[in-house]
Amino acid sequence: DAGVTQSPTHLIKTRGQQVTLRCSPKSGHDTVSWYQQALGQGPQFIFQYYEEEERQRGNFPDRFSGHQFPNYSSELNVNALLLGDSALYLCASSLANLQGSQRSPLHFGNGTRLTVT
Amino acid sequence: SQQGEEDPQALSIQEGENATMNCSYKTSINNLQWYRQNSGRGLVHLILIRSNEREKHSGRLRVTLDTSKKSSSLLITASRAADTASYFCATGDRGSTLGRLYFGRGTQLTVWP
Repeated sequence: DAGVTQSPTHLIKTRGQQVTLRCSPKSGHDTVSWYQQALGQGPQFIFQYYEEEERQRGNFPDRFSGHQFPNYSSELNVNALLLGDSALYLCASSLANLQGSQRSPLHFGNGTRLTVT
Repeated sequence: SQQGEEDPQALSIQEGENATMNCSYKTSINNLQWYRQNSGRGLVHLILIRSNEREKHSGRLRVTLDTSKKSSSLLITASRAADTASYFCATGDRGSTLGRLYFGRGTQLTVWP
C-alpha cells in the first residue's frame, strides 16, 4: 500500500522563476493538503483540495496556486519565487466523509526541499 | 492565531526515562493531534484526542487534554533512542469541516543511549 509520494525530493530555483511540485495521495484518500515548513518552524497550511476544488486556503499570496486531478493527485505551483519561499513543502492526504469532514488523520509525504537562490 | 505552542522547545533525556511535552492553544477546537517528524522528513500521525476526551493511550504514548486550560500533554514512557525526533501538536478548527490543521513549532526530543 503506497503512502503519499512527492516529487521531486529536492529542487533549486532562482528568484523570479516558477516551480511545480507534485503529490500522489495515499491509496484510498481523496483529499490533499499542502503545507510549507520553514527551517525550525512547524508546518504552515497553504491550501486543501477536495473534489478537484480548492476548499480552504491559508495566508499565502496568489503566487501559490494548485490543482487536483481526477485521480486525486495534486500539484502546487509557485510563481515569481522569492528567497523566503525556500522551505520544505509537505503534501498530506486524508479521507473525507460524505459531509466533507476529515475522516482520517493526515498522512504526510517526505516533502520537497525547495531552495531559492 | 490558533497556532499551538509546544513546551519545551528542546528536551534531552536518557533511554528508559519518560519524556513529557506540553502544548497550549488559543481557540476552541474539534480535536488535537500529535505528530512526529524525523529530521527533514514527513510527519507521522501519533494520536488524536477529541475535544470531549480527557485522556488517551496508545502503546507507550499517553495524551491528556484540558480544554478549560487550552492545553495538552504528550507523555512517552520508557523512551528509546529511536524516539529522537521533533514532536508537534496540531489543532483543528472547531468550525472547519475539512481538517485544516494548525501546528506549533515543535519540541525537539533527543534520547541518549
